[in-house]
Amino acid sequence: GENVEQHPSTLSVQEGDSAVIKCTYSDSASNYFPWYKQELGKGPQLIIDIRSNVGEKKDQRIAVTLNKTAKHFSLHITETQPEDSAVYFCAASKNSGGYQKVTFGTGTKLQVIP
Amino acid sequence: EAQVTQNPRYLITVTGKKLTVTCSQNMNHEYMSWYRQDPGLGLRQIYYSMNVEVTDKGDVPEGYKVSRKEKRNFPLILESPSPNQTSLYFCASAKGGGYTFGSGTRLTVV
Repeated sequence: GENVEQHPSTLSVQEGDSAVIKCTYSDSASNYFPWYKQELGKGPQLIIDIRSNVGEKKDQRIAVTLNKTAKHFSLHITETQPEDSAVYFCAASKNSGGYQKVTFGTGTKLQVIP
Repeated sequence: EAQVTQNPRYLITVTGKKLTVTCSQNMNHEYMSWYRQDPGLGLRQIYYSMNVEVTDKGDVPEGYKVSRKEKRNFPLILESPSPNQTSLYFCASAKGGGYTFGSGTRLTVV
């Protein structure tokens, strides 16, 4: 089955700096890669996603890149702010028997220091 | 507001006492799923449902049951809870694309 590895497990950055979280996946059939942000006491929330026919996608301070050949994708947050502090999960998804089988990474705890 | 609602938010129970965690979505999504979240293990899928009366096992289904009698509801049933089911549980729904998650249910089995 699919295996998604996520690094680092924790990340501390100064406010205003950039943060990068990296994920690798094993199944070349995976074709959809969402990223979720989980704030304390809340459920994960979809913040950005990318499909396999696209190499990069940006939404304000957040961007995601995908390298299908190397089977890795990354989340980039620029000009970090204290409210970006949260746990971030990557995921890889593929069609499986009529539904999208989703495999999550183990999460990255991001701390933005004011 | 589009949302997934889980109840209860917190639950402490004793080993062997049957319990149900409810989940309801108001987005008319066909796909619903249950996950458990444990430290260092991320989110692991318990069961999923592609539509009414269509359910299937995820990666960690042992000790759990589900039902999907209506499109909006997808309850998680623990017939005989054990301490290793102490965890944070999330219900989610989707219609293509990414999930919408509920706020979570923190279950403690003593």
